[in-house]
Amino acid sequence: DAKTTQPNSMESNEEEPVHLPCNHSTISGTDYIHWYRQLPSQGPEYVIHGLTSNVNNRMASLAIAEDRKSSTLILHRATLRDAAVYYCILITGGTSYGKLTFGQGTILTVHP
Amino acid sequence: NAGVMQNPRHLVRRRGQEARLRCSPMKGHSHVYWYRQLPEEGLKFMVYLQKENIIDESGMPKERFSAEFPKEGPSILRIQQVVRGDSAAYFCASSPGAFNQPQHFGDGTRLSIL
Repeated sequence: DAKTTQPNSMESNEEEPVHLPCNHSTISGTDYIHWYRQLPSQGPEYVIHGLTSNVNNRMASLAIAEDRKSSTLILHRATLRDAAVYYCILITGGTSYGKLTFGQGTILTVHP
Repeated sequence: NAGVMQNPRHLVRRRGQEARLRCSPMKGHSHVYWYRQLPEEGLKFMVYLQKENIIDESGMPKERFSAEFPKEGPSILRIQQVVRGDSAAYFCASSPGAFNQPQHFGDGTRLSIL
């Protein structure tokens, strides 16, 4: 699977939007962009995934650049519960099963 | 609908003993993955199983570690003759299918070796 690059850490204030970037310049046409997060002392939690178009769900939005070399996870109103490590992971669709390769991720700190 | 259940949540073993970690996937999920998170390190894939079959064990140490997912019952990750370096959090995940399916994780088993 192609490699992703994320900032080590980011900070936000409660109730403000958060934009978490991910670079994946070597992404291939069949790679899906998945986001997971891991809250302290818990297992990872699936957040969202997409291929080419922007995606929205109850947790977040995923904005994918037109050339697909980068994407941004958007939390519209951060809460203290959103403080976690966020992982951007590429998975090749259709030809490989969902073995997840976790990088270092982005540590998100949310201030009250 | 219950999520992925792992037990025990905490397990303490002495060097040389055996550790058995259990994972019950979500209802309807027949694909199970095990990951390990060493202290201050990221999550690493260990093994992927479907019912009664090991599909990929490329991330699992060649010795002392084994995994199974029987037709009936939970998936088991077994570590024989544990050593201090086995101390870690072990997470299980399940999914309903193989390709491009979100994985649902349990809260892990924290293994401590005395």
